[in-house]
Amino acid sequence: KAGVTQTPRYLIKTRGQQVTLSCSPISGHRSVSWYQQTPGQGLQFLFEYFSETQRNKGNFPGRFSGRQFSNSRSEMNVSTLELGDSALYLCASSLGGVPLYGYTFGSGTRLTVV
Amino acid sequence: QKEVEQNSGPLSVPEGAIASLNCTYSDRGSQSFFWYRQYSGKSPELIMSIYSNGDKEDGRFTAQLNKASQYVSLLIRDSQPSDSATYLCAVNILNGGSQGNLIFGKGTKLSVKP
Repeated sequence: KAGVTQTPRYLIKTRGQQVTLSCSPISGHRSVSWYQQTPGQGLQFLFEYFSETQRNKGNFPGRFSGRQFSNSRSEMNVSTLELGDSALYLCASSLGGVPLYGYTFGSGTRLTVV
Repeated sequence: QKEVEQNSGPLSVPEGAIASLNCTYSDRGSQSFFWYRQYSGKSPELIMSIYSNGDKEDGRFTAQLNKASQYVSLLIRDSQPSDSATYLCAVNILNGGSQGNLIFGKGTKLSVKP
């Protein structure tokens, strides 16, 4: 059974650019959540999608957005990149969205903004 | 702001000893609690979940939950050097009528010395 797949694994972008990250959840999982992980702040919740609808949103500026497609694959976009956006971005999938079983994380995308 | 608090460590224990990791949370309505292990450079991996007051054992791991005190702990018996990692406590935070999302503590770094 394939796990959660995130692409790309590494990205280097310049301040002011935009970036799109992709996540394919475990087959059959309809909930996809995105987290930002930094050494200082730890894992911070960005948003959750379930059946193509954003169901929860964390406290991040509007530059961070996402979407989910009918096959449950999800993308997140960050516009007008800032140096502080450098982080590991993790995608997690869940069977039903209600975290009764926890989340399974992908390997993450390491974003460096220069 | 609903929070999950952990001691950052590092917590150092000798091989074969019991490692005790603690976590407190602020949302009294939380019903689902998880422990994740994260090795350096890797993504978080679910190791334990607990939903009811009391203890839950799985091999060398025991999770303990006390909802009245808003306290979750993880005990690792017969600690091995391979247990050296950062341990993340995660709590399901409900958002009004929504099914909620997982909020993570910043993690406790455990070092098991041979």
